[in-house]
Amino acid sequence: GDSVTQMEGPVTLSEEAFLTINCTYTATGYPSLFWYVQYPGEGLQLLLKATKADDKGSNKGFEATYRKETTSFHLEKGSVQVSDSAVYFCALISGSARQLTFGSGTQLTVLP
Amino acid sequence: EAGVAQSPRYKIIEKRQSVAFWCNPISGHATLYWYQQILGQGPKLLIQFQNNGVVDDSQLPKDRFSAERLKGVDSTLKIQPAKLEDSAVYLCASSNGVGVNTEAFFGQGTRLTVV
Repeated sequence: GDSVTQMEGPVTLSEEAFLTINCTYTATGYPSLFWYVQYPGEGLQLLLKATKADDKGSNKGFEATYRKETTSFHLEKGSVQVSDSAVYFCALISGSARQLTFGSGTQLTVLP
Repeated sequence: EAGVAQSPRYKIIEKRQSVAFWCNPISGHATLYWYQQILGQGPKLLIQFQNNGVVDDSQLPKDRFSAERLKGVDSTLKIQPAKLEDSAVYLCASSNGVGVNTEAFFGQGTRLTVV
């Protein structure tokens, strides 16, 4: 079945540091890939998505590129802010499924 | 546009008691999902509705969990009787379709503690 493997957390960075959160997946067919973010006390929000190979999703300075050859969708940001502190979830929807399959989440804390 | 509404936000019950959660999806969204998020894990789908019909309930523990979506709008998720391992955040989400390009919108969740 479909599965998503995320980099173990927690991750602690200083403000303006470079962020990478690794995500790899296993899926049938050609899935769409997503990053969701959960800020403290709030629900999950879609951060960015990519629907086909080599697509790059971007939002709020975050980027992720759909790499079919390595089955990866790593999240990156060049300069993190304190306000980026949250839990980040990688997820997919495959062609055979009708709902999201999530990774286990990565807790990010950015210190001033 | 109003988001997905869930209530209550928090609930503490003793094991073997029953509990119910309520969800009101975004207006016009035909698809509704209930997810269970155990601490330190990603959300896991419990049940998916399309209008008022069940699309997927393969991971719903049917001996104790039940869900309904009357009139294709609001939904309730019930646990009876609750076990300690049911302690989790229960997330409701909705979308206006299904498939690889569909965006799901999530509520804030209900945090259940079973003692």
